[in-house]
Amino acid sequence: QVQLVESGGGVVQPGRSLRLSCAASGFSFSNYAMYWVRQAPGKGLEWVAIISYDGSNKYYADSVKGRFTISRDNSKNTLYLQMNSLRAEDTAVYYCARDRLPYGDYGGTHENYGMDVWGQGTTVTVSS
Amino acid sequence: DIQMTQSPSSVSASVGDRVTITCRASQGISSWLAWYQQKPGKAPNLLIYAASSLQSGVPSRFSGSGSGTDFTLTISSLQPEDFATYYCQQANSFPLTFGGGTKVEIK
Repeated sequence: QVQLVESGGGVVQPGRSLRLSCAASGFSFSNYAMYWVRQAPGKGLEWVAIISYDGSNKYYADSVKGRFTISRDNSKNTLYLQMNSLRAEDTAVYYCARDRLPYGDYGGTHENYGMDVWGQGTTVTVSS
Repeated sequence: DIQMTQSPSSVSASVGDRVTITCRASQGISSWLAWYQQKPGKAPNLLIYAASSLQSGVPSRFSGSGSGTDFTLTISSLQPEDFATYYCQQANSFPLTFGGGTKVEIK
């Protein structure tokens, strides 16, 4: 079945780095744009980043721009989020999610049809 | 950035009630809006895309409407499994933004 499984979360000190992974199965991963979305404890959803289906286009929330990098390895069906210079406010559950339609390029227009498949989330805690 | 404002932030309702949640965008987004349901400790689940299109597998008691800046999610007859938090999300431009959420609680 269609599935996304995140890993790599944990407890990390402020200023340190962490890399999250999202393993995809049950669909043609290389055909879909992918997202990272996070949720701080007791708070709402916050979009973090998107990468186009072929990795050519990437966009970030202002809150993580310059610190986080989204990437993908289509040969391994895996999405990544490299998180550097972590702050206490980055503490959250991090979800990966799939674009609802295939072949999202997002080099020109940004309109999309939502995120239709989500992982179970991985928890990142930034604390000294 | 486009700001999304949901109301109410919480609603108490009984099984069988009709529930309406509204979402307002700070600027026009045509029909580029999605709705999600999230239960405690679980990932969000896509209910509605393009403002009014029902995602596959979602019960028909859920419906969405609106365009421009004002949108509505309606649950026609609330079921026990519908008690959850609902989020709208503008899908018009990056950065994507979510509303603050509406918690539907048991009355």
